[in-house]
Amino acid sequence: QVQLQESGPGLVKPSETLSLTCSVSGGSINGYFWSWIRQSPGKGLEWIGYKYYSGSTTYNPSLKTRVTMSIDASKNQLSLKLVSMTAADTALYYCARGVRNDGGFYFFDYWGQGAQVTVSS
Amino acid sequence: DVQMTQSPSSLSASVGDRVTITCRASQNIDMFLNWYQQKPGKAPNLLIYGVASLQSGVPLRFSGSRSGTDFTLTISSLQPEDFATYFCQQSYTTPWTFGQGTVVEIK
Repeated sequence: QVQLQESGPGLVKPSETLSLTCSVSGGSINGYFWSWIRQSPGKGLEWIGYKYYSGSTTYNPSLKTRVTMSIDASKNQLSLKLVSMTAADTALYYCARGVRNDGGFYFFDYWGQGAQVTVSS
Repeated sequence: DVQMTQSPSSLSASVGDRVTITCRASQNIDMFLNWYQQKPGKAPNLLIYGVASLQSGVPLRFSGSRSGTDFTLTISSLQPEDFATYFCQQSYTTPWTFGQGTVVEIK
């Protein structure tokens, strides 16, 4: 059974950088689009971007200038960095496995439990 | 960005009711529409992908359909475990976007 587990600081100061890690167990990193998605009462579910296992990335243009995603395949881990954090970035951050099936459809079939991140001084 | 508008935002229903949730895309997204169920304190869980394909393990009372840019999730006979929030999501073009959610509550 594939499991994803996010980890990172629950509290970040304004203007600082958020660093989150997602550990993947029960399956391989290979072959999938690994996404970060956040959820907040004000914005709902917002897709941040994905990193394909082979290296390519696609980010949401609304966050593109502040986001970096990476994969450490040797550790089966994904990472998210979001710089210049503000209160608007306060949210529950999920990592999710993205699949492109034989029909060409993309969807998220496994999600982590989420990591709450609050931006406050 | 493709805007996904769900209706209603919430509904009250009883066990055994037939429930329909609609999601409208702001442009053509072909068949690239997924549905997720989220229960309190849990991550979203994939129900349906590609408009109408049921994810493995999802009960047959869930179904999806499309008419142009309007998409529908139907629960044929609501069960106690179905009380949750439902989200649609388009994967036609990035940035992938979600609807705002529909809360299904117990009447």
